[in-house]
Amino acid sequence: AQKITQTQPGMFVQEKEAVTLDCTYDTSDPSYGLFWYKQPSSGEMIFLIYQGSYDQQNATEGRYSLNFQKARKSANLVISASQLGDSAMYFCAMREVKNSGGSNYKLTFGKGTLLTVNP
Amino acid sequence: NAGVTQTPKFQVLKTGQSMTLQCAQDMNHEYMSWYRQDPGMGLRLIHYSVGAGITDQGEVPNGYNVSRSTTEDFPLRLLSAAPSQTSVYFCASSRTGAYGYTFGSGTRLTVV
Repeated sequence: AQKITQTQPGMFVQEKEAVTLDCTYDTSDPSYGLFWYKQPSSGEMIFLIYQGSYDQQNATEGRYSLNFQKARKSANLVISASQLGDSAMYFCAMREVKNSGGSNYKLTFGKGTLLTVNP
Repeated sequence: NAGVTQTPKFQVLKTGQSMTLQCAQDMNHEYMSWYRQDPGMGLRLIHYSVGAGITDQGEVPNGYNVSRSTTEDFPLRLLSAAPSQTSVYFCASSRTGAYGYTFGSGTRLTVV
């Protein structure tokens, strides 16, 4: 079973509109972290936002916010006021502890969503 | 500049050849990891290390070896390259592995 599921292979949005990229996850670890990364066509991995499983508030970073619904195991990324430069691949990732009591963290990625922002 | 440095950026190998992908970080991060990225597959964990002298397997370790003799370096070795290892390889580091991952710029490897 997939640990991280991104059901939208591709998404289109008009410039200046908001867009939500979906991510669901599966874990039995009570302590975990959720990340979103952006990969533009140049290939580098750019960190966008992080949400810890015990964080009470949804994370926000500028135009990015994470809609964290713990009971539903979802961690959707919301981009407000889309810009042409937001066109990229977006990856959701989850960090778990591989071995209880240790520091063997494991970061698992979803397959990604390709976002295209239209002018 | 602080960060994760991967070399080479591009490499073409013949089937059966061996090579080492280099990864170095100067942030004194304990945790380092290697991923491969294939179209439609996202990033998949190959091997990771939680400190010098300690390594462990990820999802797709077959055909790859690693070692961690220093905190700074985490090389990935392909002992006998196969076309199935054609991919983009990313190295990432983190102070503890809990968060704050920094990625290198990637190595594009083609095995013919």
